[in-house]
Amino acid sequence: AQKVTQAQTEISVVEKEDVTLDCVYETRDTTYYLFWYKQPPSGELVFLIRRNSFDEQNEISGRYSWNFQKSTSSFNFTITASQVVDSAVYFCALSVGAGDMRFGAGTRLTVKP
Amino acid sequence: GAGVSQTPSNKVTEKGKYVELRCDPISGHTALYWYRQSLGQGPEFLIYFQGTGAADDSGLPNDRFFAVRPEGSVSTLKIQRTERGDSAVYLCASSTLSDNEQFFGPGTRLTVL
Repeated sequence: AQKVTQAQTEISVVEKEDVTLDCVYETRDTTYYLFWYKQPPSGELVFLIRRNSFDEQNEISGRYSWNFQKSTSSFNFTITASQVVDSAVYFCALSVGAGDMRFGAGTRLTVKP
Repeated sequence: GAGVSQTPSNKVTEKGKYVELRCDPISGHTALYWYRQSLGQGPEFLIYFQGTGAADDSGLPNDRFFAVRPEGSVSTLKIQRTERGDSAVYLCASSTLSDNEQFFGPGTRLTVL
């Protein structure tokens, strides 16, 4: 069975601080995909990144970076120099390619000015 | 349209009634997904279509829930004999392939009184 755990329910930081959102996953499949989505107050889920299980290379996109470590089954997300607009609920998700995605419970990030 | 659209945006119904929720995916996307998101939780997978057929309906909670996609485009999620516990935001997503990033619609907020 697939499972995603986001242990941090809520995080609050002050603008310009760096913040890391943790994601731990469980699966017995060797081929799988990991995702991060952002859900701002408007409610619509916004895709951030997709990573397959064979690509452990870390990725950076502007202020966002992702650290994928198969040894610890983690796919953590770091926001550098956070901004108020980063305030949202962030979801980590896992798919084994059959179509469905299993989402974590989400981490609510609040960035204060 | 440019994105996934869902109608209605809000639906209030009484316990025991029948409801239909509609999803219009991004043009050309063959895969379509339904999720349910309860307050404070991550989206929960319900069903996945590849073309006209339901490739995986393992997430449907019981036989009161049913979904169709007769022409491989628009999909309708149908809930019979609604219960208060069905109250949630119902999200629809589409993608080009089953393992690609999913684009989400704004959701339908269902309230069962």
